[in-house]
Amino acid sequence: DQQVKQNSPSLSVQEGRISILNCDYTNSMFDYFLWYKKYPAEGPTFLISISSIKDKNEDGRFTVFLNKSAKHLSLHIVPSQPGDSAVYFCAASGIVTGGFKTIFGAGTRLFVKA
Amino acid sequence: SAVISQKPSRDICQRGTSLTIQCQVDSQVTMMFWYRQQPGQSLTLIATANQGSEATYESGFVIDKFPISRPNLTFSTLTVSNMSPEDSSIYLCSVASGTSYGYTFGSGTRLTVV
Repeated sequence: DQQVKQNSPSLSVQEGRISILNCDYTNSMFDYFLWYKKYPAEGPTFLISISSIKDKNEDGRFTVFLNKSAKHLSLHIVPSQPGDSAVYFCAASGIVTGGFKTIFGAGTRLFVKA
Repeated sequence: SAVISQKPSRDICQRGTSLTIQCQVDSQVTMMFWYRQQPGQSLTLIATANQGSEATYESGFVIDKFPISRPNLTFSTLTVSNMSPEDSSIYLCSVASGTSYGYTFGSGTRLTVV
C-alpha cells in the first residue's frame, strides 16, 4: 500500500525551462510535506517543505504547491539548471495509524540538459 | 544541522554473512533512524534507535534480522544478518533536523549481496 506515490520515475528538461515534479498521497491525515534532493553516493538533503495550512511555499527557484482536495503536491524548479539533475523524493508526515510517520515516495530522477 | 558520517559507503557480501553499518553524528541526538531503499522503491523506515532502550521496529522488520545498537547519543549501528540477495539495498541512517519535520541523512551504504 503506497501512501505516497511519485508516478514519474524520470523527467528530462532543457536548461532554463521549468521542471515540474509531481507527488500524490492517499492519507488525509498527513499535514506536512517535504521534498528532498539526492545526488549519487550522497544521502537525501532537505529542499523545501509545506504545511497543510498553506497551498504554496516558495524558496528561490523552488516552489512547492499543495492541493489538499486532490491530495497532490508538486515541486516547480524555475529556471532549471544542470546542477539540479538529481533524484527528488517527496515525503508526507503526520499522525496516522501507528503514530507519527513520515512516508517517502520512490523518487523522480530529473535530468536537466545543457 | 547535524553532520552524519556513515560507513562503509558500499560493500559486496556473500549470502549468509552479516554486515554492520555504522553512523556517527557530530552532536547528541535522542533518536536515530535507519532506512532502507530497495532498487526502484521508496525510502522505508526500518527502525528507530533510542539511546538506552531497545530499538522500535516497523512492521515487516525484526530485531533478529536487523539488530541495532545505540551505545550513546552520537553513535548507532545497524547489522544486516544472514544476508540474501533480497537484502541488496541502500541503507541510510538519519536524525531529525530540528526544523520543519525534516531529517538529515547519512551518505548511505550501498549493499550488494551475491
